[in-house]
Amino acid sequence: GAVVSQHPSWVICKSGTSVKIECRSLDFQATTMFWYRQFPKQSLMLMATSNEGSKATYEQGVEKDKFLINHASLTLSTLTVTSAHPEDSSFYICSARDPRGMAYNSPLHFGNGTRLTVT
Amino acid sequence: GQNIDQPTEMTATEGAIVQINCTYQTSGFNGLFWYQQHAGEAPTFLSYNVLDGLEEKGRFSSFLSRSKGYSYLLLKELQMKDSASYLCAVRDVETALIFGKGTTLSVSS
Repeated sequence: GAVVSQHPSWVICKSGTSVKIECRSLDFQATTMFWYRQFPKQSLMLMATSNEGSKATYEQGVEKDKFLINHASLTLSTLTVTSAHPEDSSFYICSARDPRGMAYNSPLHFGNGTRLTVT
Repeated sequence: GQNIDQPTEMTATEGAIVQINCTYQTSGFNGLFWYQQHAGEAPTFLSYNVLDGLEEKGRFSSFLSRSKGYSYLLLKELQMKDSASYLCAVRDVETALIFGKGTTLSVSS
């Protein structure tokens, strides 16, 4: 079964509004979660690394004030897209690694993704 | 810089064998992963290689040559349900994965 749960699965919002996406690890504690974005027919691009109890680490070119990440507990990370614009429409996917395995060979478990459409 | 290359599209027929290649140039290397992704869904883990050689898991096998920065995913006895995108990903010094653009495989009858 799913080990990472992401909500909502899809959302439509108006330009200028904010949208919050939740990512939960279901049967393990994740001190680190990763947020990816995927445009149509493109691969997954890492946006940021979410760290429990500290600030997120953003990849180059990703605006930290636009994509707010909060990792308040060991099982929950949230991504808020603020002042959304049509160009933010994309597939957002969170992921986490089960720390009970060896770090080097543990795959990332992915949530089912959130399809965001900004009108 | 980080660069992972794989073919954009491939086609094959049911029952055939297909090999999807991946070359990479990354600042660090802590393993190479292959994922399968159906349209609109999250990627699912297929295989992992960190040492040179072949790893076999049922109909799927993955090969790695670290000196050449090269890997391939081999799919045998293709089925229609294998039509999907196949993503090659490298773990560098951190635990995040860097993904290639993916190879869309179309299996026809």
